[in-house]
Amino acid sequence: QVHLVESGGGLVLPGGSLRLSCAASAFTFSDYYMSWIRQAPGKGLEWVSYISGSSTYTNYADSVKGRFTISRDNAKNSVYLQMNSLRAEDTALYYCARAMDSSARYGLDVWGQGTTVTVSS
Amino acid sequence: DIQMTQSPSSLSASVGDRVTITCRASQTIRSYLNWYQQKPGKAPKLLIYAASTLQSEVPSRFSGSGSGTDFTLTITSLQPEDFATYYCQQSYSTWTFGQGTKVEIK
Repeated sequence: QVHLVESGGGLVLPGGSLRLSCAASAFTFSDYYMSWIRQAPGKGLEWVSYISGSSTYTNYADSVKGRFTISRDNAKNSVYLQMNSLRAEDTALYYCARAMDSSARYGLDVWGQGTTVTVSS
Repeated sequence: DIQMTQSPSSLSASVGDRVTITCRASQTIRSYLNWYQQKPGKAPKLLIYAASTLQSEVPSRFSGSGSGTDFTLTITSLQPEDFATYYCQQSYSTWTFGQGTKVEIK
């Protein structure tokens, strides 16, 4: 069964760093764009970043550009989100999700359960 | 960036009602519009992609329409399991989500 499992969340001080991981299973990982989406407590969904199957293309929301870096290791079926210079407003549940098509134009069809990041002193 | 505006932000409806949610883009997104359902404590679920294509195993009471800048999600005959928050998302350029529409029980 297609599955995504996030890890790496936790409590971090403002200005600190954290690396999230997402492990995929039961599909040809390298064929798919992968994305990170976050949801602050009680708020809506915010797209954070995506990466193409071969890592050729990446994109970021303006709110994280220059601070977050997405990467993937297709040999390990994993995608990562390196988060630096963290701010209180980065506090959220971070979801990993798979784009359903090779062009990333048709939605996110598989989601993990999320990992929680809390930025606080 | 393209802004996505959903309306209403919330609505109250009864089982069996027809419900329509609107999503408007700040510029054309052709048909690159997706709809998700999220229940409390759960990850979002893709309902419709490319504005009107029903995702596999999604009940046929859900439908989507629109192109360009104006889109709708319609639920005919609302069921108890449909009470949730619904989000639109554009995938035409740098992705963005709408702010969500919470469908509550009247």
